[in-house]
Amino acid sequence: EADIYQTPRYLVIGTGKKITLECSQTMGHDKMYWYQQDPGMELHLIHYSYGVNSTEKGDLSSESTVSRIRTEHFPLTLESARPSHTSQYLCASARQGATTNTGELFFGEGSRLTVL
Amino acid sequence: QKEVEQDPGPLSVPEGAIVSLNCTYSNSAFQYFMWYRQYSRKGPELLMYTYSSGNKEDGRFTAQVDKSSKYISLFIRDSQPSDSATYLCAMIRPGGSQGNLIFGKGTKLSVKP
Repeated sequence: EADIYQTPRYLVIGTGKKITLECSQTMGHDKMYWYQQDPGMELHLIHYSYGVNSTEKGDLSSESTVSRIRTEHFPLTLESARPSHTSQYLCASARQGATTNTGELFFGEGSRLTVL
Repeated sequence: QKEVEQDPGPLSVPEGAIVSLNCTYSNSAFQYFMWYRQYSRKGPELLMYTYSSGNKEDGRFTAQVDKSSKYISLFIRDSQPSDSATYLCAMIRPGGSQGNLIFGKGTKLSVKP
């Protein structure tokens, strides 16, 4: 069973508020990712990190920001939430040093954000 | 044209049926193909992965890749109610590394007892 945790699981918040979605993993994985998933739609990569102090934007443009100060922790922040940010946010991590590209990501259970 | 196309269903089958789930893709450079399973209110989990063309079997699950047709399939034999979930196909973006995946929309499967 994957040891990757996301909090909060559900969040309803008003427009303009600052929010941080937390993601922690205890597997020692260097690679961590944030995906966004709308109902009935594809997962889209919005941020990734290959290690401490490394962050990159993904394929889908996002107004969120991320940080990677510790290996196990990869929080996502929205400075000013808007209704268009309503979505599910999934955090994932991957083993380092894999000799084959198995595409195996370990996902958390997700944070479902609703912005009113 | 989307890079990966997947019929979202829903698909409802009786217990014991053989299930066929499919995806098509447009980029012939894709080499690594995955199937993820996502239960309701959970994150996806890797079910199977395949490199290039061919078949791969794991218990009741068989993954097939036909690169000439740009078509991948997942077969579930003797389907069980516990197989009820959304199945997502995924591919590694060419030039990208592990984790930078392109996902299909997912097919929602319901197996009725």
